[in-house]
Amino acid sequence: EAGVAQSPRYKIIEKRQSVAFWCNPISGHATLYWYQQILGQGPKLLIQFQNNGVVDDSQLPKDRFSAERLKGVDSTLKIQPAKLEDSAVYLCASSLRQGAFSWEQFFGPGTRLTVL
Amino acid sequence: AQTVTQSQPEMSVQEAETVTLSCTYDTSESNYYLFWYKQPPSRQMILVIRQEAYKQQNATENRFSVNFQKAAKSFSLKISDSQLGDTAMYFCAFMKHQDSNYKLTFGKGTLLTVNP
Repeated sequence: EAGVAQSPRYKIIEKRQSVAFWCNPISGHATLYWYQQILGQGPKLLIQFQNNGVVDDSQLPKDRFSAERLKGVDSTLKIQPAKLEDSAVYLCASSLRQGAFSWEQFFGPGTRLTVL
Repeated sequence: AQTVTQSQPEMSVQEAETVTLSCTYDTSESNYYLFWYKQPPSRQMILVIRQEAYKQQNATENRFSVNFQKAAKSFSLKISDSQLGDTAMYFCAFMKHQDSNYKLTFGKGTLLTVNP
């Protein structure tokens, strides 16, 4: 089966510009996660969707970050305006919502963002 | 809140030898999962091994095994017969099982290099 797809793979922007990342989860996976992985650190959950509803966005900097998951499939994460400290790899992951294996998250390749 | 600590930022091992990566965690929960994820250079994160807290038996997956000490809140990963392809960043992660909201908390990672 196809894995989690993300685009773009790399993005370089100036501070105060805006940027958007796209994620397509594994077909049939109801839960979608966005993580931020700063260099030298482990991934940190930004937002979790269940279908098209938000389950947890407690660590999302809502003054500049936004995310949506229209129709419960693809998702977009946006940063506006970007700051230098937003430089990181943004990982998307998905998992089944039901059943014994709903704990397992499958990760995409990530988008590496550099803010200059 | 849960915390995961990996005290070894970097480790190296010779091919075919055995290496152990350390992880400790802090939680007041009784029902949870622990994971080791592998993130090869410029490649996506994949699950290595999983341990359920209620199980006393240590999980094993081929050359990978864990030493789960629940009372000590310790969860180490042993890699036997190390291979060059094991070179990667390894993350220890905690998942609280609450209301089916499967949220991962990661440690900072250990960079493992397998030398020929």
